[in-house]
Amino acid sequence: QVQLQESGPGLVKPSETLSLSCTVSGGTISSSLYYWAWIRQTPGKGLEWIAHVLYTGTTYSNPSLKSRVTMSVDTSKNQFSLNLTSMTAADTAVYYCARRAPGGVATASSLDFWGQGTLVTVSS
Amino acid sequence: DIQVTQSPSSLSASVGDRVTITCRTSQSVSRYLNWYQQKPGKAPKLLIYAASSLQSGVPSRFAGSGSGTNFTLIINSLQSDDFARYFCQQSYSIPYIFGQGTNLEIQ
Repeated sequence: QVQLQESGPGLVKPSETLSLSCTVSGGTISSSLYYWAWIRQTPGKGLEWIAHVLYTGTTYSNPSLKSRVTMSVDTSKNQFSLNLTSMTAADTAVYYCARRAPGGVATASSLDFWGQGTLVTVSS
Repeated sequence: DIQVTQSPSSLSASVGDRVTITCRTSQSVSRYLNWYQQKPGKAPKLLIYAASSLQSGVPSRFAGSGSGTNFTLIINSLQSDDFARYFCQQSYSIPYIFGQGTNLEIQ
């Protein structure tokens, strides 16, 4: 059973960069089948897909955040990371990492395993 | 962007009831539509993928249907464990967008 666990600061100051990591256990991150995703949730905007990355580093980002998002993969640690720059109060949210199932109509790129989430608050 | 409209936003029902939640997309997404269940303080959990395929371990009282722009999640014979928030999500094109959610409450 694949498990994901987010880690990172719970508090970030405005204009700073958020750095979050997600450690994957029970499976390898170095699979060509799966992408590894970040999603966030706020009471106001609901669930928002941020980006997903393949183990090679190939990344697809939400255009609304693209200029601020960087994702990376560390296969030696079975871990992937998110950097989100220029944080504002609007970025306060619960951030989830998840595994994206293979593309194609059979699995429809669904998000089949999720971490428990980590609350990030942006405040000075 | 392909927009996703989910309805109703809230729903009251009783144990044993059959409930229906709908999701409509602004363009065809073929069958790239997924359903998730979320309980307070927990991560979303995948219930249905590719419009109608039941995720492993999910009870068979959950069923999904639809293709193109109109989709339905049906929960047959509601159990107390089913009272939660439900989201649909289109994964046809980036950005993947989620519906606003349906709160399923005990009547």
